[in-house]
Amino acid sequence: GAVVSQHPSWVICKSGTSVKIECRSLDFQATTMFWYRQFPKQSLMLMATSNEGSKATYEQGVEKDKFLINHASLTLSTLTVTSAHPEDSSFYICSARGDVGQGYEQYFGPGTRLTVT
Amino acid sequence: ELKVEQNPLFLSMQEGKNYTIYCNYSTTSDRLYWYRQDPGKSLESLFVLLSNGAVKQEGRLMASLDTKARLSTLHITAAVHDLSATYFCAVDISGSARQLTFGSGTQLTVLP
Repeated sequence: GAVVSQHPSWVICKSGTSVKIECRSLDFQATTMFWYRQFPKQSLMLMATSNEGSKATYEQGVEKDKFLINHASLTLSTLTVTSAHPEDSSFYICSARGDVGQGYEQYFGPGTRLTVT
Repeated sequence: ELKVEQNPLFLSMQEGKNYTIYCNYSTTSDRLYWYRQDPGKSLESLFVLLSNGAVKQEGRLMASLDTKARLSTLHITAAVHDLSATYFCAVDISGSARQLTFGSGTQLTVLP
């Protein structure tokens, strides 16, 4: 149980285009999901907290107009990287926070590797 | 601001040896996690430590938590090559939306 999927697992896009990444909790409902970014050889940095039915909360330094987050249902959050640039190339990992039944743990998706050319 | 420091950042060890990775954090927390990450992969949960003095073991790995010292350790016993990976600790900020703050990671290489 407590499986989180991400789609796509990898994507290559051209500079200036937009890319959407999906994060799904497959067997539990998640009112809260988190989006992280990880550059090579570095740790995970929290980008934003996504709450179902409300606006996402962005960490300091993360451009909310560039990284659009939508959490339209209890099992799906999406991250759209708008007008992508090569410096946005990174490994994006989402996590879904379970409810009391899952001990409020965070379950991590497999990640999406974005390369902007 | 919560700070989580891991050391060492890089660890190269011989098979069969023991070693410890340290995780220090700067403010009160009620949960601490250890994760493993293989190259190109996401995080694999290893341990959740929920209280002072908690100790958990799985195979050659043992994690402990001292909340008074704000210190957690991940001890590796008789290392094998399969343990080569990057290990992260993450601290759960008490009273928040359960946000995790990650340490910088320890890249472990076990040499034959």
